[in-house]
Amino acid sequence: KNQVEQSPQSLIILEGKNCTLQCNYTVSPFSNLRWYKQDTGRGPVSLTIMTFSENTKSNGRYTATLDADTKQSSLHITASQLSDSASYICVVSARDNYGQNFVFGPGTRLSVLP
Amino acid sequence: GAGVSQSPRYKVAKRGQDVALRCDPISGHVSLFWYQQALGQGPEFLTYFQNEAQLDKSGLPSDRFFAERPEGSVSTLKIQRTQQEDSAVYLCASSLVAVELTGELFFGEGSRLTVL
Repeated sequence: KNQVEQSPQSLIILEGKNCTLQCNYTVSPFSNLRWYKQDTGRGPVSLTIMTFSENTKSNGRYTATLDADTKQSSLHITASQLSDSASYICVVSARDNYGQNFVFGPGTRLSVLP
Repeated sequence: GAGVSQSPRYKVAKRGQDVALRCDPISGHVSLFWYQQALGQGPEFLTYFQNEAQLDKSGLPSDRFFAERPEGSVSTLKIQRTQQEDSAVYLCASSLVAVELTGELFFGEGSRLTVL
């Protein structure tokens, strides 16, 4: 069964600190991996999309990595800000009969404190 | 419009009532998805449209759930005889390209359904 796991479930850090969120997946056949940020009460917003051949992608203070061999991805947040407080969701896309099937992880809830 | 628009943002229904949730995707977007998100969980796939064709409805939890996109733009998710377990946020997402391509997914703000 296609699954996406994320760790930690929740994380509290102080403003200005760095942090790394983890994503492990068992999705086949792999198409791409996405990280989304979801503020409380809002819809998810895309941060990065990585295909099989990409092992790192940055978007401002967010850097995602992908190891397709070990089926792991990480999202590194540099110099955290209060506005980074949100849930971060890892989404892995598998190819199926209709094109792609998006499998969502449960998310990591990040709280950045002043 | 500028983004994916969903209405209503909040809906409270008595158990047994029917509800209809609307999604207005970004103009010209081919793909449209509906997801159900329980509190503290990631979104779970419900159904997928490519233009007006419903290509995948494997995630709909029961025959009480029905979705349509008759003209290939606005979509409606209908839940009949609502149950308490239907309480969740219903997210709509659209993409410019067909799902077999690596397109950006744009999400709406969601419709929060509470069934009493």
